[in-house]
Formats: sequence, C-alpha cells, structure tokens
Amino acid sequence: DIQMTQSPSTLSASVGDSVTITCRASQNIVSWLAWYQQKPGKAPNLLIYQASSLESGVPSRFSGTGSGTEFTLTISGLQPDDFATYYCQQYNTSPITFGQGTRLEIK
Amino acid sequence: EVQLAQSGAEVKEPGESLRISCKASGYKFTKYWINWVRQMPGKGLEWIGRIDPSDSYTNYRPSFQGHVTISADKSISTVHLQWSSLRPSDTAMYYCARFPVKFTHNTTSHWGQGTLVTVSS
Repeated sequence: DIQMTQSPSTLSASVGDSVTITCRASQNIVSWLAWYQQKPGKAPNLLIYQASSLESGVPSRFSGTGSGTEFTLTISGLQPDDFATYYCQQYNTSPITFGQGTRLEIK
Repeated sequence: EVQLAQSGAEVKEPGESLRISCKASGYKFTKYWINWVRQMPGKGLEWIGRIDPSDSYTNYRPSFQGHVTISADKSISTVHLQWSSLRPSDTAMYYCARFPVKFTHNTTSHWGQGTLVTVSS
C-alpha cells in the first residue's frame, strides 16, 4: 500500500493567517492527489484534485502544489469557515489511501 | 444534481449480519465507480473498497477483504455494503462516495451523508 503522511497533525492559526499542510507519499503518485475538508458530523468535501486543480465552487484562497511524492495545500487568508480537518488522498494506485488528517484549530 | 443517499443508522449485536445501502441519482449509474469509506469514532478516513456498477467488478483493501462484501443492483441504482458477522470494531460511520479517477475527465467527488453503524451487546 502507498502510505500517505500528513504534517502537522494539528495546526493552530488565526483568522487572516496563511497556512500550509504537507502530504508525503511513500511512492511516486505522479499528480493523482486530492485534498478534502471535513467538518464535524459531515462528509468530506473535495477542494483540490490532480494535486493543483481547484474544484468548482471552492474559494481561490485554497491552492495545491506538488508532484511525485511531496504535496502541499495552502490556505491564504484563513476564514472562520476554514477551521476543520483536512485529508490528502492518493488515487494513483489501489488501494486508495488517505493521510491521517490535519486538524486546523483557531488560535 | 448528483446525489448519493444512504440508508439510516443501525444498531446491531456482535455476530449479526447487516446490509447498508447507497442509492445514486442524477447521473448514469453504470458510468462511475462507487467507493465505501470507513471512519471510526474520532479517527481518519479508510478506504474499504469499490465497485464498478456496470459489471459489479469489485476490489477491496486487503484488510477488509473477506469481512465485507460490496454489491450493486443496477435496476435500482443502488450499491450495498454488507457484513455476515459484525464485530464491535465495526462500529463506525460508513460513507459511499465517488472519487476522481486518473486519466479521465472524472475529476470531481460526491459523498453520501453517511450511515452510522453501532455494534454492541
């Protein structure tokens, strides 16, 4: 299985800050990586696909970069609605695997 | 509008069987794989497996193989996840979902609302 390792596990930030979450794959996944946001009690919501493509309807303050084994999700100018848990997901190879999640908290 | 509507919460005892469902609407059912994802209380997302509704081909994460079965009924655009013998460790929220697929124009994702399964004696 491809292991997906996110860092940090928890991130504390304030409204207006910019933050970056990193996701590392144990093998080359090319650009077949997605980022999801999950709020408590809700299903995840797709933010980014193919490493850097913004899903329709997602605010432009979300951006993704990377290829191969190292990827980042950046949120520029945090809004109150952004405090949630974020997951990366590789869909290059079965079994599909997720990172362990990064919880973004209000400082 | 694409929708994945899941069946309601279940409370079962260890050893019982269970089948939960995911009804698709708003698109051609046989065109896209459907995945199942487990989320144990307070934990992250784990992919269980997926099915191609056009021919019911499945593949599973090895750790779930043999413990769960994924099936599809094209006549009612519904995918099922079933257990023949539940364990307390199966207590979790279960989501059905469509994911992006590499090398295709299928770049979006849709999720059901989740089905909470509680297994306790």
